[in-house]
Amino acid sequence: ETGVTQSPTHLIKTRGQQVTLRCSSQSGHNTVSWYQQALGQGPQFIFQYYREEENGRGNFPPRFSGLQFPNYSSELNVNALELDDSALYLCASSLAQAQSSYEQYFGPGTRLTVT
Amino acid sequence: GDSVTQMEGPVTLSEEAFLTINCTYTATGYPSLFWYVQYPGEGLQLLLKATKADDKGSNKGFEATYRKETTSFHLEKGSVQVSDSAVYFCALNSGGFNKFYFGSGTKLNVKP
Repeated sequence: ETGVTQSPTHLIKTRGQQVTLRCSSQSGHNTVSWYQQALGQGPQFIFQYYREEENGRGNFPPRFSGLQFPNYSSELNVNALELDDSALYLCASSLAQAQSSYEQYFGPGTRLTVT
Repeated sequence: GDSVTQMEGPVTLSEEAFLTINCTYTATGYPSLFWYVQYPGEGLQLLLKATKADDKGSNKGFEATYRKETTSFHLEKGSVQVSDSAVYFCALNSGGFNKFYFGSGTKLNVKP
């Protein structure tokens, strides 16, 4: 069983640029969530994708956008990068089921630095 | 809104000491509660979970009991090891909408 993978591992961008981060979900999972983890903080929910559609969004501006593909992999796109976007971006996959309890499995993250 | 509050760290213990990391939550409905661990340079790993009141989650010697009356989910371990040094996150999921709320994390340092 393949775990959650993310690419790239590290990335350095300049303020105002655009960035795309990628995530491959764990085998059998149909839901992907993205989180932003600033240094010394807990992960903050950005959005979630289920069956290729956005299934909820946290308190992030529209310049944060995403996609989910038929194979359940996902992309996070951030436009007009700001210095405060520097963080570890985590992808988590899960299997959406009727039960109320979910387990999310996290990838290793992409460390984004905006200069 | 839903939220999680953890004790601030860092927590520094000697090997074989007893560990408690406090976690309290605010949530509507009946959330599931989780503890995740993050080792340096890595993503989060699920450590244990509890889905209803009075449930006890356990894994690798760690335990946490879902206390609805005190809205708490404190993490405990009877004898910590150096290898337990990491950041521990308490989290909740309110269900229905697959969204997790995380605490700010508690860093644990275990000295030999």
